Amino acid sequence: AQKITQTQPGMFVQEKEAVTLDCTYDTSDPSYGLFWYKQPSSGEMIFLIYQGSYDQQNATEGRYSLNFQKARKSANLVISASQLGDSAMYFCAMRGRKAAGNKLTFGGGTRVLVKP
Amino acid sequence: NAGVTQTPKFQVLKTGQSMTLQCAQDMNHEYMSWYRQDPGMGLRLIHYSVGAGITDQGEVPNGYNVSRSTTEDFPLRLLSAAPSQTSVYFCASNRDNEQFFGPGTRLTVL
Repeated sequence: AQKITQTQPGMFVQEKEAVTLDCTYDTSDPSYGLFWYKQPSSGEMIFLIYQGSYDQQNATEGRYSLNFQKARKSANLVISASQLGDSAMYFCAMRGRKAAGNKLTFGGGTRVLVKP
Repeated sequence: NAGVTQTPKFQVLKTGQSMTLQCAQDMNHEYMSWYRQDPGMGLRLIHYSVGAGITDQGEVPNGYNVSRSTTEDFPLRLLSAAPSQTSVYFCASNRDNEQFFGPGTRLTVL
């Protein structure tokens, strides 16, 4: 079984500052992928960043970076230079190599509110 | 490419009614899936398909049917709507490390 835990239900961040969103996971699958999605108030799921369990380097996509610590089973998302448009729900998800149908398992999400 | 499209965007049903949520993708992806998202929660898998003619159940399949007659289309059928099925429904398609979601259908069952 796979499990994703996001322990921060909500957080405030000052505009232009960096914010770290926590994500820990549990899986018995030796090969897996970790995803982060943004869900703004409009409701759509926007893919942000992907990290494979065997990737040598931490993933980065523009202002998003993933702090992947495999031994600790954590995959924290770092958003640098926060903007007002970053206010949204953020979901961490994982997919095991053996997952049926390439199923994604989601965490409960973290709501981020960027203050001007 | 339109990506993943879903219709309708909003729907209100009465208890016991049936309906079909439509989903289509134009990326020639093998894998397609349906998720539901309840308030304040992440997404949970309802049904998925690994190719035309092949479907299987996810975590929360009760009350829903699916079929996959073509690579492009993956409709979700509610057989007899119940208030517990009030939710936002997302269709997704993926290949390799990419997973794309449709815009969602907000369903209310009275």
